[in-house]
Amino acid sequence: GENVEQHPSTLSVQEGDSAVIKCTYSDSASNYFPWYKQELGKRPQLIIDIRSNVGEKKDQRIAVTLNKTAKHFSLHITETQPEDSAVYFCAALIQGAQKLVFGQGTRLTINP
Amino acid sequence: ETGVTQSPTHLIKTRGQQVTLRCSSQSGHNTVSWYQQALGQGPQFIFQYYREEENGRGNFPPRFSGLQFPNYSSELNVNALELDDSALYLCASSPLKTGNTGELFFGEGSRLTVL
Repeated sequence: GENVEQHPSTLSVQEGDSAVIKCTYSDSASNYFPWYKQELGKRPQLIIDIRSNVGEKKDQRIAVTLNKTAKHFSLHITETQPEDSAVYFCAALIQGAQKLVFGQGTRLTINP
Repeated sequence: ETGVTQSPTHLIKTRGQQVTLRCSSQSGHNTVSWYQQALGQGPQFIFQYYREEENGRGNFPPRFSGLQFPNYSSELNVNALELDDSALYLCASSPLKTGNTGELFFGEGSRLTVL
């Protein structure tokens, strides 16, 4: 079935350290993998995405890697700052079904 | 350029009632998707509308229905409300059908509480 597993569910890191969140997906036909950041009471906001024709994408302190063979993709945040504290969701596009399937979310806390 | 707007932002209903949630898509976007986000969980796909027709549906019962209008705005209707329908309902618009890997732009959501 269509499934996206996300780990860890909670993550606490010291300010300035790196954070890594990992996801696996089940639909081998998926070809689009966005990451969303959701602050308390706010909408999910797209922070970075990757398509299956590349293995890595970087945008300043944020990077995403994709391993299509293993059906893994990961979010990497370097030099973390307090404003990075939020819930992060990965997602995978289910081809033909016109929908994104989301992971369960990771609550990231940056400790000053 | 205006973003995705949803109304109402909060509402309280009782079991068995019906609710209509509204969404105006971002300017230039012709595709609208609806997601349900229960507390502490990721968004779950309800359905998508493209050119006024349902274009994909998730695992939700028929009492969840929708419409898209010629101006691309959309409504989500839920009949016979149940306690488990309490959630944040998110509307997302895209310039393309999601199947064409257009990115989604979410509204702030409508928080529904069913008592």
